[in-house]
Amino acid sequence: SAVISQKPSRDICQRGTSLTIQCQVDSQVTMMFWYRQQPGQSLTLIATANQGSEATYESGFVIDKFPISRPNLTFSTLTVSNMSPEDSSIYLCSVEHYNEQFFGPGTRLTVL
Amino acid sequence: AQKVTQAQTEISVVEKEDVTLDCVYETRDTTYYLFWYKQPPSGELVFLIRRNSFDEQNEISGRYSWNFQKSTSSFNFTITASQVVDSAVYFCALSEAGISGTYKYIFGTGTRLKVLA
Repeated sequence: SAVISQKPSRDICQRGTSLTIQCQVDSQVTMMFWYRQQPGQSLTLIATANQGSEATYESGFVIDKFPISRPNLTFSTLTVSNMSPEDSSIYLCSVEHYNEQFFGPGTRLTVL
Repeated sequence: AQKVTQAQTEISVVEKEDVTLDCVYETRDTTYYLFWYKQPPSGELVFLIRRNSFDEQNEISGRYSWNFQKSTSSFNFTITASQVVDSAVYFCALSEAGISGTYKYIFGTGTRLKVLA
């Protein structure tokens, strides 16, 4: 299995600021994924991040709002930029490892 | 387009009852994967099963069993003799291989299961 950690686990931020979420995996993985789960909702894929290439964003998500870094095979960051209360969600990092998909514990973000 | 439908928003059962969570999917691909995840109140997503589109054999793991029927595009999940610890939100998901080889995952809206003591 792959063990994923995320930092921070939760944060409360002011409108207009930015937050960078870190995702660390204990194994080298090719693909990492970032999801958003709004309160009481399902998971929505934000983007797929492969090491050494630009992230691929899903419809409705743009790089200026959610820049992603993938400097190596075990680490990625997602930044939520110029936050508004609508960005209040749980953000989850995920990896595919040996045909299974594993999720991090999530970062619970509240924007005031 | 891909779509995963979990029509049951919330189910309540009494402990020891059997319960089936429904999942219906839509895809145009012949190669795809189906998943079930459990999200307990703690919030972490727990992987339960992955099934590829070419394997229609039903699977049993302890009290859990899965029924995959391509003819009806369904991948239902049954918990036998439910327990209070089974209380969680359960998500069904579908993934297809993209053009570049990456996989896109689509999640259903989830079914909240409440098992009452």
